[in-house]
Amino acid sequence: DTEVTQTPKHLVMGMTNKKSLKCEQHMGHRAMYWYKQKAKKPPELMFVYSYEKLSINESVPSRFSPECPNSSLLNLHLHALQPEDSALYLCASSKVGRELFFGSGTQLSVL
Amino acid sequence: TQLLEQSPQFLSIQEGENLTVYCNSSSVFSSLQWYRQEPGEGPVLLVTVVTGGEVKKLKRLTFQFGDARKDSSLHITAAQPGDTGLYLCAEYYGQNFVFGPGTRLSVLP
Repeated sequence: DTEVTQTPKHLVMGMTNKKSLKCEQHMGHRAMYWYKQKAKKPPELMFVYSYEKLSINESVPSRFSPECPNSSLLNLHLHALQPEDSALYLCASSKVGRELFFGSGTQLSVL
Repeated sequence: TQLLEQSPQFLSIQEGENLTVYCNSSSVFSSLQWYRQEPGEGPVLLVTVVTGGEVKKLKRLTFQFGDARKDSSLHITAAQPGDTGLYLCAEYYGQNFVFGPGTRLSVLP
């Protein structure tokens, strides 16, 4: 299994909603990532988990809250988002220091 | 922070043409990856180059790593509409993968 599975594929939420994005991989990778990608831009790193511990937080606003319940799962909890947070949210995994395997992303729209 | 540059930014060609896109940095790469991303999907790894002067081939795609490991190129022979997408180079740096801005390729039938 070489897949990273992200759900949901699409999400529309209001600024007062709470929602969660989910990511799962079964490749035995011990590094997992959240990236944000705006249209026509490259992915921008948000968070890195290494061996289930948060190792990088790229000064992301607290309305984004990551969680890594175990080595296969990664969540991103969303609360009180702003319209400018609308973007494609990508999860990825890797062996530490090796190539990234991406999920297909969640296209998020904040109204 | 490692900064990657890619050129050209945009490229629109006819099916059957050849093309080359470039990735470079002012610093030496430890290794370099190329990814292709289609609209609404996540990037997919194409290749990793590690050794200066290395050449790797993936069907109609040829990847070169500069001798000084500060630049890389991707050459596509006889481009097809299925090659359309955003081509990203990336390097592992400080527990993170730093991406270049990408080359957006459009191959017209």
